[in-house]
Amino acid sequence: DAKTTQPPSMDCAEGRAANLPCNHSTISGNEYVYWYRQIHSQGPQYIIHGLKNNETNEMASLIITEDRKSSTLILPHATLRDTAVYYCIVIRGSARQLTFGSGTQLTVLP
Amino acid sequence: EAGVVQSPRYKIIEKKQPVAFWCNPISGHNTLYWYRQNLGQGPELLIRYENEEAVDDSQLPKDRFSAERLKGVDSTLKIQPAELGDSAVYLCACSLSGMVDTEAFFGQGTRLTVV
Repeated sequence: DAKTTQPPSMDCAEGRAANLPCNHSTISGNEYVYWYRQIHSQGPQYIIHGLKNNETNEMASLIITEDRKSSTLILPHATLRDTAVYYCIVIRGSARQLTFGSGTQLTVLP
Repeated sequence: EAGVVQSPRYKIIEKKQPVAFWCNPISGHNTLYWYRQNLGQGPELLIRYENEEAVDDSQLPKDRFSAERLKGVDSTLKIQPAELGDSAVYLCACSLSGMVDTEAFFGQGTRLTVV
């Protein structure tokens, strides 16, 4: 599975959009980009995933560059409850397990 | 629908003592995972089950760790004897088998402290 690079920490003002970048320059054509987050003292929670196209759900949007070497997770209106560690994970579609890196600690400020 | 249930939520034991963690996955989710998460790090896979078969236990320290998933539903992870370095959060997760791209659901974890 391709390696990912994320900034260790980011701040965002409450109500503003949070844009979390992820670099995955060695991604292969059959590898998906997944995002999970982990709120303090809880287990990781799935947010969104995509292969090539941009994706949107009720939690977030995922923007994948055309060359697929990087992606951005967008939380459109961050709230204090979005403070968490966000993990970007690249895995093959046939893979059955997640390999977590260190993630990005997002702190939403009031 | 209930999520992944783990117990206990917290456990404090003395070194060299045994300890066991229990996980009840979401009904119908045949793939089950045990992860270990050290402070400040991301979770690391210990073992993965497909139904009752352990299909990947390469990261499980087999000298002291064992796991079982009888009847392909609930699972237990055991450590015997525990060492100070085993202090961590132990997470159970599950997902649907046979799907190319699917999400994993995690429990809240068991925080183990070995003193």
